[in-house]
Amino acid sequence: GIQVEQSPPDLILQEGANSTLRCNFSDSVNNLQWFHQNPWGQLINLFYIPSGTKQNGRLSATTVATERYSLLYISSSQTTDSGVYFCAVAYTNAGKSTFGDGTTLTVKP
Amino acid sequence: NAGVTQTPKFQVLKTGQSMTLQCAQDMNHEYMSWYRQDPGMGLRLIHYSVGAGITDQGEVPNGYNVSRSTTEDFPLRLLSAAPSQTSVYFCASSYVRISADEKLFFGSGTQLSVL
Repeated sequence: GIQVEQSPPDLILQEGANSTLRCNFSDSVNNLQWFHQNPWGQLINLFYIPSGTKQNGRLSATTVATERYSLLYISSSQTTDSGVYFCAVAYTNAGKSTFGDGTTLTVKP
Repeated sequence: NAGVTQTPKFQVLKTGQSMTLQCAQDMNHEYMSWYRQDPGMGLRLIHYSVGAGITDQGEVPNGYNVSRSTTEDFPLRLLSAAPSQTSVYFCASSYVRISADEKLFFGSGTQLSVL
């Protein structure tokens, strides 16, 4: 099956700093999503981005499918950005997604 | 519009007991899945379904059964609970549409402890 590697595993920032999270995957995919798991365990879909670039407020994501990686950018980080960020990929439908082990982000005030 | 609803939120079982985790979605999604999340790890796929009457195994199916009699419901059954099944369980759903975003929507999770 597809292997998904996320880096870094842990990231600690001061409020206001910028960060880049990376997701590498081992094979061609047709579905790639980024999720944020908040400290209460809830999983929120941030981006559906099998290719190209998308932006949503302070967050943006870029996927280079031919090189098998995706990047999640967080600008002007806030304490509410803390949590675990997961990348999930699938050959076909999202329902069969393979998840990486996540990046744990801590934003300090 | 409730999205994906899971019950119960917490459950404690003794080894050997059986139980069913409930999952329902009201978005008319074709795809439904069950994942488990162990501490410090990502989510692993247990079983999935592409529509009513159709189910298949994911990465870690042993010890679990599923059925899909309606589009809305996808229960997960633990046949004989073991301590190794202590985990947080998430149900998810999505559309199967080539032309539309196939975003995965998650329920709030069930925290299961097996003693």
